[in-house]
Amino acid sequence: QVTLRESGPALVKPTQTLTLTCTFSGFSLSTSGMCVSWIRQPPGKALEWLARIDWDDDKYYNTSLKTRLTISQDTSKNQVVLTMTNMDPVDTATYYCARGGNLGWFDPWGQGTLVTVSS
Amino acid sequence: QSALTQPASVSGSPGQSITISCTGTSSDVGSYDLVSWYQQLPGKAPELMIYEVNKRPSGLSNRFSGSKSGNTASLTISGLQAEDEADYYCCSSAAGTIVVFGGGTKLTVL
Repeated sequence: QVTLRESGPALVKPTQTLTLTCTFSGFSLSTSGMCVSWIRQPPGKALEWLARIDWDDDKYYNTSLKTRLTISQDTSKNQVVLTMTNMDPVDTATYYCARGGNLGWFDPWGQGTLVTVSS
Repeated sequence: QSALTQPASVSGSPGQSITISCTGTSSDVGSYDLVSWYQQLPGKAPELMIYEVNKRPSGLSNRFSGSKSGNTASLTISGLQAEDEADYYCCSSAAGTIVVFGGGTKLTVL
């Protein structure tokens, strides 16, 4: 059974850097074709894809947020980490990690973690 | 990367069929069969319903189907049930790199 779980701070201050961890099980990111993505959803708004990391450590970013995002993996821990710099209140959202993205689909998704940006 | 265009809301009565459209461009929906659809129940994470335009994940009801024509993809739900009431999002990937979602459609079962 494939599962993913997001973890990180629930509250960050403006200008701070957000670090989120996705811990997964049921698959290996070392397997050819595997990848993990991050997607966010502001309250009451649509989904927005953020970034993806592939089995061969290739990385892809939302072009609008590219300068603020870094995605990395710790294969030994089955974890993918996303950092987002210079946080702003408009970045308040539920952040999801999900398996997939290289073929345009995401399955399954983690339960999501709500991050609020406020002073 | 601009968001894909979906109707804000659609509605239907139990037993009826509804279709949700998703319009992109020749750079995403129109060029690649990498369109997927997600159902999001209130307070829950999205769930994959359709991938690669018209494929259903194992175990998903065949009441859900997908199609594409030109720059527009569509999700059809037949035999509408109360449990189908949710938000639906389309998604397209350009050559497996950049991904863009639609603005979401709220389905109301009357």
